[in-house]
Amino acid sequence: GNSVTQMEGPVTLSEEAFLTINCTYTATGYPSLFWYVQYPGEGLQLLLKATKADDKGSNKGFEATYRKETTSFHLEKGSVQVSDSAVYFCALAQSGGYNKLIFGAGTRLAVHP
Amino acid sequence: NAGVTQTPKFQVLKTGQSMTLQCAQDMNHEYMSWYRQDPGMGLRLIHYSVGAGITDQGEVPNGYNVSRSTTEDFPLRLLSAAPSQTSVYFCASRDLVQGGNTGELFFGEGSRLTVL
Repeated sequence: GNSVTQMEGPVTLSEEAFLTINCTYTATGYPSLFWYVQYPGEGLQLLLKATKADDKGSNKGFEATYRKETTSFHLEKGSVQVSDSAVYFCALAQSGGYNKLIFGAGTRLAVHP
Repeated sequence: NAGVTQTPKFQVLKTGQSMTLQCAQDMNHEYMSWYRQDPGMGLRLIHYSVGAGITDQGEVPNGYNVSRSTTEDFPLRLLSAAPSQTSVYFCASRDLVQGGNTGELFFGEGSRLTVL
């Protein structure tokens, strides 16, 4: 079945460090891929998405590229801020199956000044 | 702009008790869903609905009932709570028409349930 695997956290970084959170997936066909972010005490919100191979999603300085050959969608940011501290979830939706988003376990990021 | 509103935010139940988690959205979204969030497991889909009168099961539906009598509301019922249902529950919605196939979900702030 479809699944999403994320690197285990927590990830602890100093402000202005480079961030990578790994995400790989298993799916048939051509799923759409998402990164959601959950700030403390809040619900999840969409950070970025990519709907086909080689697409790059970007938002708020974060980027992720849909790599079909490696079935990956790693999240990157060149310079993190304390305000980026949150839990990040990778997710996929099977083509035509957007009613059932499948989420990874989440990766907690803590950024220190 | 209220978005997706969940009540209650916190609830403690005893095993065997029943309760309903409420979810309301004011965005006229056709699609609504319930997820549970457990440590190390991410979010898992419980039930979802694509319109009034239409519901379907997700990945972990056992022990939960839903109904959709209006576009705005999608309550989640626990008929006989068990400790395994201790979790954080999220309601989420999206627009099936204007949203197209973006898959973007709008989440409520969550309801933390503890079953003793």
